[in-house]
Amino acid sequence: NAGVTQTPKFQVLKTGQSMTLQCAQDMNHNSMYWYRQDPGMGLRLIYYSASEGTTDKGEVPNGYNVSRLNKREFSLRLESAAPSQTSVYFCASSELGIYGYTFGSGTRLTVV
Amino acid sequence: EDQVTQSPEALRLQEGESSSLNCSYTVSGLRGLFWYRQDPGKGPEFLFTLYSAGEEKEKERLKATLTKKESFLHITAPKPEDSATYLCAVQVGSGNTGKLIFGQGTTLQVKP
Repeated sequence: NAGVTQTPKFQVLKTGQSMTLQCAQDMNHNSMYWYRQDPGMGLRLIYYSASEGTTDKGEVPNGYNVSRLNKREFSLRLESAAPSQTSVYFCASSELGIYGYTFGSGTRLTVV
Repeated sequence: EDQVTQSPEALRLQEGESSSLNCSYTVSGLRGLFWYRQDPGKGPEFLFTLYSAGEEKEKERLKATLTKKESFLHITAPKPEDSATYLCAVQVGSGNTGKLIFGQGTTLQVKP
């Protein structure tokens, strides 16, 4: 029972490079989320998808784009990475948003 | 503005020394309050959901309670394996968006 799978686990980018963080869940959940976690800042919502075919901005969407590819997959894209995007990124999913989220193990991204 | 504040930021206990973690919140339209545990290098793991003032939930040495303005996570006779960061989050918004706003967390260290 894999739950929420994120790839890659670690990544180092140069300023200006682009990359896509992948997330897949096997629990048939409708809602999926992308958060970033920074020391002293807690978890902050970047984008979310309440259901397949919909996406909405969260608290800190600037510099990111998302795609809800199907019910299982929700990707996060950095078009032109900046050092301020150095963070740990977590993907999560939930059933209708009324139960506890299931989180992935995170992607540790460093932008130099 | 919706806000969640956790205290203390860090807590050191001796094994067997009971204590409580606090989560205070200011939100419009609370739909639920969540507690998560996060181990170093891993994603948050769901512990409890509380929906109304006066509600209590228990799991092993942990007990979560909820009032109209705050929640407590009581830890009874903790063991070293209870060492982790404990996150509190509130669910806000209408419909089934399920967005969570997180506090900054309390890092608990239990010494043998």
